[in-house]
Amino acid sequence: DTAVSQTPKYLVTQMGNDKSIKCEQNLGHDTMYWYKQDSKKFLKIMFSYNNKELIINETVPNRFSPKSPDKAHLNLHINSLELGDSAVYFCASSQGAGDNQPQHFGDGTRLSIL
Amino acid sequence: GQQVMQIPQYQHVQEGEDFTTYCNSSTTLSNIQWYKQRPGGHPVFLIQLVKSGEVKKQKRLTFQFGEAKKNSSLHITATQTTDVGTYFCAGRRTQGGSEKLVFGKGTKLTVNP
Repeated sequence: DTAVSQTPKYLVTQMGNDKSIKCEQNLGHDTMYWYKQDSKKFLKIMFSYNNKELIINETVPNRFSPKSPDKAHLNLHINSLELGDSAVYFCASSQGAGDNQPQHFGDGTRLSIL
Repeated sequence: GQQVMQIPQYQHVQEGEDFTTYCNSSTTLSNIQWYKQRPGGHPVFLIQLVKSGEVKKQKRLTFQFGEAKKNSSLHITATQTTDVGTYFCAGRRTQGGSEKLVFGKGTKLTVNP
């Protein structure tokens, strides 16, 4: 009964490959996020979706494409992976985009590019 | 660029000592949230401060929000080894018509038993 679940937990792949990370939340939240945490632990927001609509799109290379089939799912597809993409990617969700609500994070996907 | 500054970046204390991390924003925040991330784990929400000058306590943890709503602090009294982790502040601000939570770079706390 995990609240925010991401798969896979670990992803090791070659440079140039395309990969996807999936995220699902069972909290009934209407807003979901993708964050990237680099080796220095800096948490940077990448995307935010509210009710399947994109509301935040930070300066992220267009090799990264989020997809939200419904408000409980937010997947992240990455094309032509580069060495600099190595990081931990966290999915999160909250109730409301502008409300004063906490964010609930998944366990993270540790992406390593060889 | 980074608009929520958090210091110190690292803090090492002996068990029983106090610990404080500070968060400063260049602009007024709607509210501020604090998260804790254990080593190898994910950020976990601790608390939210909304009002100017607000102070909240959770056992040994004291959270403060500045009068101008531009700074905040987290103070831990008498640290324990279970306090080990990285503490992040996250300030909510309006930018480009949308509200966004901007995380500080975190303070990594290690506790020597």
